[in-house]
Amino acid sequence: DAGITQSPRHKVTETGTPVTLRCHQTENHRYMYWYRQDPGHGLRLIHYSYGVKDTDKGEVSDGYSVSRSKTEDFLLTLESATSSQTSVYFCAISTDRGASGANVLTFGAGSRLTVL
Amino acid sequence: AQSVTQLDSQVPVFEEAPVELRCNYSSSVSVYLFWYVQYPNQGLQLLLKYLSGSTLVKGINGFEAEFNKSQTSFHLRKPSVHISDTAEYFCAVTTSGTYKYIFGTGTRLKVLA
Repeated sequence: DAGITQSPRHKVTETGTPVTLRCHQTENHRYMYWYRQDPGHGLRLIHYSYGVKDTDKGEVSDGYSVSRSKTEDFLLTLESATSSQTSVYFCAISTDRGASGANVLTFGAGSRLTVL
Repeated sequence: AQSVTQLDSQVPVFEEAPVELRCNYSSSVSVYLFWYVQYPNQGLQLLLKYLSGSTLVKGINGFEAEFNKSQTSFHLRKPSVHISDTAEYFCAVTTSGTYKYIFGTGTRLKVLA
């Protein structure tokens, strides 16, 4: 078990309110990711982080911001939630690249967000 | 930029029958390929991965996949499925020099009794 905890697991909010989702890891991995999962779209990368205070945008970053002030926590913020952001959000981590040159992603259990 | 196409959104199959879930990718550089499985109301778990070497990769639960560079495919197979294999399966790709993983849209495998 990679020790990834997402919170909250379920949240219902109203349009226009701010929302923060938290991803916490216990194994000091460098790379962390936020994906959203929607029917017909699979998983789409929102933002990722390659170290404390080092983040970059993914495919669907508009309307989202992230922060990583310490290795173990990666926060995803919706500044003003919209109904189109209703989704299941997954956090993932990966270890540093080994001799093979590629990592494996390990996922959290997901956070289901409903924006009314 | 890489991309992944999973050609079938749903695949129904009877128990103990063989199954193949298709995945094609697009990339101008060498790739690393993965299959993940998602059981209902759970996160994704790694099923198998191709990094280099043998093009036939074996994973957990009796699944295997074959990397075909000329056809840019990485199809997932199982010779005999069980009811417990009912889940959604995702193909994913990444490349050396990037930390972005691109996922396909998923294939729902439904195993029928």
